[in-house]
Amino acid sequence: EVQLLESGGGLVQPGGSLRLSCAASGFTFSSYAMSWVRQAPGKGLEWVSAISGSGGSTYYADSVKGRFTISRDNSKNTLYLQMNSLRAEDTAVYYCAKAPLPGGNPLMGFDYWGQGTLVTVSS
Amino acid sequence: EIVLTQSPGTLSLSPGERATLSCRASQSVSSSYLAWYQQKPGQAPRLLIYGASSRATGIPDRFSGSGSGTDFTLTISRLEPEDFAVYYCQQGGTFGGGTKVEIK
Repeated sequence: EVQLLESGGGLVQPGGSLRLSCAASGFTFSSYAMSWVRQAPGKGLEWVSAISGSGGSTYYADSVKGRFTISRDNSKNTLYLQMNSLRAEDTAVYYCAKAPLPGGNPLMGFDYWGQGTLVTVSS
Repeated sequence: EIVLTQSPGTLSLSPGERATLSCRASQSVSSSYLAWYQQKPGQAPRLLIYGASSRATGIPDRFSGSGSGTDFTLTISRLEPEDFAVYYCQQGGTFGGGTKVEIK
């Protein structure tokens, strides 16, 4: 059974940093691209970042480019999102999500999602 | 940048009725990367349709997707009580604003 478990969310002041983790199990982690998708309270979904299975290719939404860094450790089956220079508008539930096909385009859809971790940016 | 516009914003229907949800892209997009999701309150989204018309694993056949170019449709043939939720379309790194299907 595929499982994705996010952690690392919390309250942080504007300008601060936070690192999210997503522990994956139930599939061959290194074969699949992964993404982070966020949802501000009461709002819709926003794709944040994606990474290929090998970690060699990364992609970012314009809203986070230069501030967030996605990475993965395939030996630990774990996905990360390093978030720096956080702003109030980054407040959201952050989901990690798995691409549906091995080796496929990371943005062709997300077939499994974690339960999400809440990041609140406030003074 | 592609913009996805979903309509209507809210759809009020009764169980057993047919639901037709629209997703319109600001420019022609690849059907291969058009997906639909269902989200219920307090839950993560669930993939329903990928590649514009392929049902994801375990999705009932009352859900179907169609379309190409700039116009895509999610159809729920007969609404079940558990289908009342918010639905999002996605193309690449862009999500639509969502359609809420509520009980009439």
